Amino acid sequence: AQSVSQHNHHVILSEAASLELGCNYSYGGTVNLFWYVQYPGQHLQLLLKYFSGDPLVKGIKGFEAEFIKSKFSFNLRKPSVQWSDTAEYFCAVNAGYGGATNKLIFGTGTLLAVQP
Amino acid sequence: EAGVTQSPTHLIKTRGQQATLRCSPISGHTSVYWYQQALGLGLQFLLWYDEGEERNRGNFPPRFSGRQFPNYSSELNVNALELEDSALYLCASSPGTGLGEQYFGPGTRLTVT
Repeated sequence: AQSVSQHNHHVILSEAASLELGCNYSYGGTVNLFWYVQYPGQHLQLLLKYFSGDPLVKGIKGFEAEFIKSKFSFNLRKPSVQWSDTAEYFCAVNAGYGGATNKLIFGTGTLLAVQP
Repeated sequence: EAGVTQSPTHLIKTRGQQATLRCSPISGHTSVYWYQQALGLGLQFLLWYDEGEERNRGNFPPRFSGRQFPNYSSELNVNALELEDSALYLCASSPGTGLGEQYFGPGTRLTVT
């Protein structure tokens, strides 16, 4: 069965530190990849997405992610985090887009706490 | 542009009752998805509706059902509620011309006592 793994469940960083959150998926075919963010008290928001082309994609608020097909990974990065980045981050995969199995499969989420 | 809206925000039901949750997609979006976010289980896909038809269903029992109306809004019905149905139910929508990205509403918190 398709699955998404996020290895870091809880990350604590100081402001200005660099961030990298890991995401691996298990599916051998074409996938569309997403990172969503849920700030405290707010709903899930799309942070960035990868469909095809340049494997390095940029999203909102200075976030970027790199798709490495050979490693089935889509890690999220930010060079310098801010206190306002405190949130829960979810990696998601859509392996069935365009077909009957169109759905998002989510990782378990990573809770990021940035200390001022 | 208004986002996905859901109602009610909170819903408290007793075991064995039925719950109805509602969702309005972003204007112009034809697909609606339902997900369950239960404690310790993460976000689980429930149902996908497109153009009024159920297109895909997650690994949930038949007492989870729904429909999509001609205006693309949707409702999720949960019959014979069980304690483990307590969760945040999220609705998402996507455009027909999109590439799989989905936009989420704030959710309905269902508590079964």
